[in-house]
Amino acid sequence: RKEVEQDPGPFNVPEGATVAFNCTYSNSASQSFFWYRQDCRKEPKLLMSVYSSGNEDGRFTAQLNRASQYISLLIRDSKLSDSATYLCVVNRGDGATDSWGKLQFGAGTQVVVTP
Amino acid sequence: EPEVTQTPSHQVTQMGQEVILRCVPISNHLYFYWYRQILGQKVEFLVSFYNNEISEKSEIFDDQFSVERPDGSNFTLKIRSTKLEDSAMYFCASTPLAGPNTQYFGPGTRLTVL
Repeated sequence: RKEVEQDPGPFNVPEGATVAFNCTYSNSASQSFFWYRQDCRKEPKLLMSVYSSGNEDGRFTAQLNRASQYISLLIRDSKLSDSATYLCVVNRGDGATDSWGKLQFGAGTQVVVTP
Repeated sequence: EPEVTQTPSHQVTQMGQEVILRCVPISNHLYFYWYRQILGQKVEFLVSFYNNEISEKSEIFDDQFSVERPDGSNFTLKIRSTKLEDSAMYFCASTPLAGPNTQYFGPGTRLTVL
């Protein structure tokens, strides 16, 4: 089983619409969670960290469900500039070892916002 | 805003040659990482580095790979004898602290092995 799994998409979204997608992770000891976005052939850029209580940053809302081991991202009022691949990223660090820094990436969910 | 820089942006080399990829992490950061992304695949962890030594490495990071922080600013990844399958984007990242901190990624070096 992959450590971090995502629906590859693409999710074709009309401009102004809402899109949501999930990611699942296999290691219940995972400590921290992030959504990164990656534009074609560019570096991953942090979109937002994901907290247990859920969090919102403008049009973006992230949720974490530890019991079911999934993370979600919702984008409201989609803009053309939201077209990108969204990477679900998990940090497995348990504090007792030096594995804090090892980010594990999903393969990404492609979102295409159309006019 | 401070950023991680990487050089070169694109490196083409012949199979069997040595390459050195260079990174300048953000100046007050203490933890450094290398990741790679083969075209069309996910980003994969290679190695983490702190206090002038490797903290963790993946199974990809075999004896052909090494990292070094030769001075106070540069962080390098050396591949001793490149193989075709080493062709990928190589990203450097850094954080100020350990733990679940945001990792800031450089723009990457595209390595093409012929």
